[in-house]
Amino acid sequence: AQRVTQPEKLLSVFKGAPVELKCNYSYSGSPELFWYVQYSRQRLQLLLRHISRESIKGFTADLNKGETSFHLKKPFAQEEDSAMYYCALSGGLGNKLVFGAGTILRVKS
Amino acid sequence: GAVVSQHPSWVICKSGTSVKIECRSLDFQATTMFWYRQFPKQSLMLMATSNEGSKATYEQGVEKDKFLINHASLTLSTLTVTSAHPEDSSFYICSASLREQFALADTQYFGPGTRLTVL
Repeated sequence: AQRVTQPEKLLSVFKGAPVELKCNYSYSGSPELFWYVQYSRQRLQLLLRHISRESIKGFTADLNKGETSFHLKKPFAQEEDSAMYYCALSGGLGNKLVFGAGTILRVKS
Repeated sequence: GAVVSQHPSWVICKSGTSVKIECRSLDFQATTMFWYRQFPKQSLMLMATSNEGSKATYEQGVEKDKFLINHASLTLSTLTVTSAHPEDSSFYICSASLREQFALADTQYFGPGTRLTVL
């Protein structure tokens, strides 16, 4: 079965501190992993996907197949990073997304 | 690019009436469109997957006769909540998927959502 686990409901850090939002998945094949972000009162936006290996807004995420993880990291958190972050998995072309429960990131000044 | 719109952004209706929500991909033709519900401070719950010209595929537990989906073109899908009841009050979100080069999976782009309140 496809499953995405985000163990932390809320992560609170100080501005300038490193951030790591955890995501673990279970899938028997080769999935594509995504991180989506939802800022307050805004739509869900794609932040990054593992296949593109980009750094967006200072965030990176590496797919670790051995640990079945796709943790989202940023070396120095900013207040504008405060949002809800969702990790999601897709089994392939034409497939639906399976979302984790989401983690609220709160960056304090 | 890859903008998805929804209309209306919010709607209030009386119990027993039907409400139609539109989802449009504005600058691309969507491979597939999806409909979700989102409860306060919770993750998205997939309701159904919709492909142009064919019947929608509903997730387990979602009543297809209550949530009618029509996918008339590659840029438009509609969700009609029939005989709405207060428990149908929720935030409904659509997404449209785009097949991108070298990708293993389609990318879903989300609409802004529609807040439905049933009195």
